[in-house]
Amino acid sequence: ILNVEQSPQSLHVQEGDSTNFTCSFPSSNFYALHWYRWETAKSPEALFVMTLNGDEKKKGRISATLNTKEGYSYLYIKGSQPEDSATYLCAFTHADGLTFGKGTHLIIQP
Amino acid sequence: DAGITQSPRHKVTETGTPVTLRCHQTENHRYMYWYRQDPGHGLRLIHYSYGVKDTDKGEVSDGYSVSRSKTEDFLLTLESATSSQTSVYFCAITRKRTENTEAFFGQGTRLTVV
Repeated sequence: ILNVEQSPQSLHVQEGDSTNFTCSFPSSNFYALHWYRWETAKSPEALFVMTLNGDEKKKGRISATLNTKEGYSYLYIKGSQPEDSATYLCAFTHADGLTFGKGTHLIIQP
Repeated sequence: DAGITQSPRHKVTETGTPVTLRCHQTENHRYMYWYRQDPGHGLRLIHYSYGVKDTDKGEVSDGYSVSRSKTEDFLLTLESATSSQTSVYFCAITRKRTENTEAFFGQGTRLTVV
């Protein structure tokens, strides 16, 4: 079983503040690292897919970095807004498909 | 939105009865996956398929079987449902198994076994 660890499990952030959270994954047999945004009562939606060590991706106020040698990725949210409240999942691509972490549940407080 | 639909969306069934969940895609993606979502566990892989009639077990496959007779359909069967299988089930598809290919998810099926 491949372990994908996310921390923290939950996070409360004041509106306007910036925040970040972590995904740790096995550094061997690496193919790709995904980040998904999952709102309550909806399906997960892809934010980023990264494959190369040192990759940095950005979409609006959200960005992510990747370190395949040490097996971690960070997701950053700048200037949090209430609509950013969601669970953020990371997933590690390996030979048998995608293994997901348990997610970081982010709550933005007005 | 990716063309992926799950049916039924909600189901309540009794312990010991068989249940089949359907995932249908119109994207012609080769790879299809069934996950279950439970509090404290996130998404866990049950079974996956890498082509018609080609399937393999995931992390939590006990008590489940799958079939894929057509590219567009991936069926998940609980032969004899148990209360521990009460969960929300998600189907996902990917164009490729590896590399930088994102997954698209169905809307989920909420299954309650009483």
